[in-house]
Amino acid sequence: DTAVSQTPKYLVTQMGNDKSIKCEQNLGHDTMYWYKQDSKKFLKIMFSYNNKELIINETVPNRFSPKSPDKAHLNLHINSLELGDSAVYFCASSQGSWGGSSNYGYTFGSGTRLTVV
Amino acid sequence: SQKIEQNSEALNIQEGKTATLTCNYTNYSPAYLQWYRQDPGRGPVFLLLIRENEKEKRKERLKVTFDTTLKQSLFHITASQPADSATYLCALPSDYKLSFGAGTTVTVRA
Repeated sequence: DTAVSQTPKYLVTQMGNDKSIKCEQNLGHDTMYWYKQDSKKFLKIMFSYNNKELIINETVPNRFSPKSPDKAHLNLHINSLELGDSAVYFCASSQGSWGGSSNYGYTFGSGTRLTVV
Repeated sequence: SQKIEQNSEALNIQEGKTATLTCNYTNYSPAYLQWYRQDPGRGPVFLLLIRENEKEKRKERLKVTFDTTLKQSLFHITASQPADSATYLCALPSDYKLSFGAGTTVTVRA
């Protein structure tokens, strides 16, 4: 029973293409996030949604568009992919409006490794 | 600007010894701090949360301290085992988001 599941796990694509990453959580959490982890392993928040409402948009190029059809799903669509978009993208979820103070922290998916060639 | 600094990128220790990791922060006033573990090819896994009014917290062989005056948290792994080898990340809240340090990779030698 995977708590936060992302698909696909690996994505190799050419520059200029459009791709989507899907995320689903079965924990009943209210808030979901997208984080990007670059080659230096630095995790940086991109977006967060609370009950389908966008809460955080962290100066991400507008080629990246999150979509939350319901509170259990948060997808990430990327247009016109660039070499610099290559990274591992993590979806996460948490309780409450943004959940940072929960004794259970954030629950992360296993990541999507995106390689743009 | 806000910064979270973890003391070193890598820490190699002998099995059975205690690993001590440091997380320093600037321009944060956190009500709490979190620690996560990340294994290669996996997402971070939440370990512990310590609140500003708690000086120390323990979970099995893990111990975390939080000094808001020094703006520092220490993370100890006692009686370390090779299975403890992983990257450990500290995380701080600000502006309704959780920001992470770059992590310290711990390798425990048998």
